[in-house]
Amino acid sequence: AQSVTQLDSQVPVFEEAPVELRCNYSSSVSVYLFWYVQYPNQGLQLLLKYLSGSTLVKGINGFEAEFNKSQTSFHLRKPSVHISDTAEYFCAVKRDYGGSQGNLIFGKGTKLSVKP
Amino acid sequence: DTEVTQTPKHLVMGMTNKKSLKCEQHMGHRAMYWYKQKAKKPPELMFVYSYEKLSINESVPSRFSPECPNSSLLNLHLHALQPEDSALYLCASSQDIRLVAEAFFGQGTRLTVV
Repeated sequence: AQSVTQLDSQVPVFEEAPVELRCNYSSSVSVYLFWYVQYPNQGLQLLLKYLSGSTLVKGINGFEAEFNKSQTSFHLRKPSVHISDTAEYFCAVKRDYGGSQGNLIFGKGTKLSVKP
Repeated sequence: DTEVTQTPKHLVMGMTNKKSLKCEQHMGHRAMYWYKQKAKKPPELMFVYSYEKLSINESVPSRFSPECPNSSLLNLHLHALQPEDSALYLCASSQDIRLVAEAFFGQGTRLTVV
């Protein structure tokens, strides 16, 4: 069975500071990992994804994540955050249904609050 | 066009009402999803449609009834809901349930049951 753990429920940070949002996964098979962002009263928007290949994945809005198989992690990073990055961030893993690729399993989310 | 459009954006309904949520995409995606999201929680899967057929039902109560009239549309019919059903309902689509592809989400319908 696959699952995702987001270790921090809230991360406060000052504007222009770097940030790392942590995500660990468990899976007995190949994993496909995603980071989504949700702004207040909005749907989810894909930030980046890891399917295969290079372990360093670059996404939109200056975010990047590194897939680390030995540590079963997929942490999200940004070198300098803006006020507009304030949002809820969800790590997700693709779930298998009987051999076919199924739907997403989400972590509990990390609320990123960027302060001036 | 990479949009998933959901209507209405907000809905208030009584416990005896019947209403429907609508979702539309024109990306040619053959997998469509309904998620329920309570405040400060992650989305929870309700239903998955693959090629217009119900593929997954995550033990959702029968007061929620999904329908996929064609490959672009997905409805969620609501009847006799309870106040605890109040939540943000998200629709999503992806290229094919068998492929590892990202899901595109709509903006959601904020449902309040009174």
